[in-house]
Amino acid sequence: NAGVTQTPKFRILKIGQSMTLQCTQDMNHNYMYWYRQDPGMGLKLIYYSVGAGITDKGEVPNGYNVSRSTTEDFPLRLELAAPSQTSVYFCASRDTGSVNTEAFFGQGTRLTVV
Amino acid sequence: KNEVEQSPQNLTAQEGEFITINCSYSVGISALHWLQQHPGGGIVSLFMLSSGKKKHGRLIATINIQEKHSSLHITASHPRDSAVYICAVAKGGNKLVFGAGTILRVKS
Repeated sequence: NAGVTQTPKFRILKIGQSMTLQCTQDMNHNYMYWYRQDPGMGLKLIYYSVGAGITDKGEVPNGYNVSRSTTEDFPLRLELAAPSQTSVYFCASRDTGSVNTEAFFGQGTRLTVV
Repeated sequence: KNEVEQSPQNLTAQEGEFITINCSYSVGISALHWLQQHPGGGIVSLFMLSSGKKKHGRLIATINIQEKHSSLHITASHPRDSAVYICAVAKGGNKLVFGAGTILRVKS
């Protein structure tokens, strides 16, 4: 099993450009999450999904959008990139909604907005 | 004040040393996770615990629910243990609250 796969690993965007960060998992997990990691800060939840067709906002959703058309895929879209969105982005999945179970993380996407 | 505080922020050790990383939290939790993040790599789960102690190889995690404190110990540290160690607490609902991480460097 590949687990959670994120693409791309690195990307540089210009202000105002848009892009989609891809996330795919092959574990048939219902719960998927997008986090951002900024220096000196803990991971912050951007959006999450409890199953195909269902998404919800996390702590820091502004400037992002998500969709969940299949169980496997949970892409994160940046419509108008801003320097404040420079960060490392992690996708994660979990078998159940309980935070008392292990979460599986992707390798991360390092995004720089200039 | 953050709900999850880790100490130290940075730690440098010599190979073979016993290492302790601390995590304190200020909210009621149902579980606590320890995660490892290698440079340029993803995040992997090391432990999930809600009471007592767990051991896996050279890693030991303990939690004291009454004191709202957890520790991650590494015995006989090795340069390959160099990574960021992250504490996260399950506060309620289906979300985790993360600490800022402890950057560990083990020198040979």
